[in-house]
Amino acid sequence: QVQLVQSGAEVKKPGASVKVSCEASGYTFTDYYMHWVRQAPGQGLEWMGIINPTGGSTNYAQKFQGRVTMTRDTSTSTVYMVLSSLRSEDTAVYYCAAGMDVWGQGTTVTVSS
Amino acid sequence: EIVLTQSPDFQSVTPKEKVTITCRASQTIGSSLHWYQQKPDQSPKLLIKYASQSFSGVPSRFSGSGSGTDFTLTINSLEAEDAATYYCHQSSSLPRTFGQGTKLEIK
Repeated sequence: QVQLVQSGAEVKKPGASVKVSCEASGYTFTDYYMHWVRQAPGQGLEWMGIINPTGGSTNYAQKFQGRVTMTRDTSTSTVYMVLSSLRSEDTAVYYCAAGMDVWGQGTTVTVSS
Repeated sequence: EIVLTQSPDFQSVTPKEKVTITCRASQTIGSSLHWYQQKPDQSPKLLIKYASQSFSGVPSRFSGSGSGTDFTLTINSLEAEDAATYYCHQSSSLPRTFGQGTKLEIK
């Protein structure tokens, strides 16, 4: 079955970067664009961007332009999301979602000094 | 950016009741509207895609309708396990956006 497994929780200091991975299985990796969505504590869902696993092209929400980078490794069916210049407001659960149909389990990122 | 506005924000309902959640888009989006269910400490799960298509494995009591700017998620004969927050989401244009969510409490 389609499954997305994300990397474990992270604690980072303000100004640092975080890299979250999302390994896909159970389907052809290049069949679905991968989205990243985050959810701050007690808040709603916020779309961050999308990557085409075939060619690696990306489109980021304007809010994250310049701070987010999404990449993929087709040899391991894994996508990565790097968020830099972290601030406390980036504390959230980060999700990957294949075609927005199936979601990973989420990765908690805590930004604290 | 397309803004999605859900109503209500919160609803307290009894089992077996029929529930209707609405989602209004700030501009026409055809049928590019999807519904998700999120239970506490879980990832969102897709219920309905393209306004009215049930996703695989979703109970038949969940249905969706609408097109253009106005959409509805209906839950017939509510069950206790349906306590969750429900989100609408549009795929008509980038950036993708979500509604603010509707929290369903079961009495």
